[in-house]
Amino acid sequence: EPEVTQTPSHQVTQMGQEVILRCVPISNHLYFYWYRQILGQKVEFLVSFYNNEISEKSEIFDDQFSVERPDGSNFTLKIRSTKLEDSAMYFCASMGGGNYGYTFGSGTRLTVV
Amino acid sequence: DAKTTQPNSMESNEEEPVHLPCNHSTISGTDYIHWYRQLPSQGPEYVIHGLTSNVNNRMASLAIAEDRKSSTLILHRATLRDAAVYYCILRVTNRDDKIIFGKGTRLHILP
Repeated sequence: EPEVTQTPSHQVTQMGQEVILRCVPISNHLYFYWYRQILGQKVEFLVSFYNNEISEKSEIFDDQFSVERPDGSNFTLKIRSTKLEDSAMYFCASMGGGNYGYTFGSGTRLTVV
Repeated sequence: DAKTTQPNSMESNEEEPVHLPCNHSTISGTDYIHWYRQLPSQGPEYVIHGLTSNVNNRMASLAIAEDRKSSTLILHRATLRDAAVYYCILRVTNRDDKIIFGKGTRLHILP
């Protein structure tokens, strides 16, 4: 069964450093998403991406965040200057279109120290 | 976003059926009912969705009330692997409509 692949599985970074979280969505999917989940809390929507541009973003997705699909296969989330409160699991998801379900990756655990 | 209401937690015995309820009294005509689950330390996983008719797939069944104000996810024979948080989510049929997760129901399976 096709999978969404996320790397790395765990990243530790110093506060103020830039991080890039990487995702390889399912190859024929058209819609891409990032979500995050702070330990013990709900899964929160960050951003959706379609046709090489952001479709929608949440209040969490401020100027410190950016997304890119640089080469037609990878989908990345960049955090420019990490804060302690950015520590969370970050999940990438993709969808083929219409009213199908999302396929989520296994996530990247980001720890900011 | 249209809202759903689910119990915080439920328990069931292994190898017995489980009925997970969801209320969505403000559902609109264009809302589909989606269910996802999140196993421990994993990303959410799509389970099933429906509009008006009951739906079956290899993972579960979805029973939708005639007035669509509630639905029930049915696991026919629970295993320990089904212990997870189950989310009932309403989603309009727009191509890019995001999924918004609530707190869901934490399902405990007793051996």
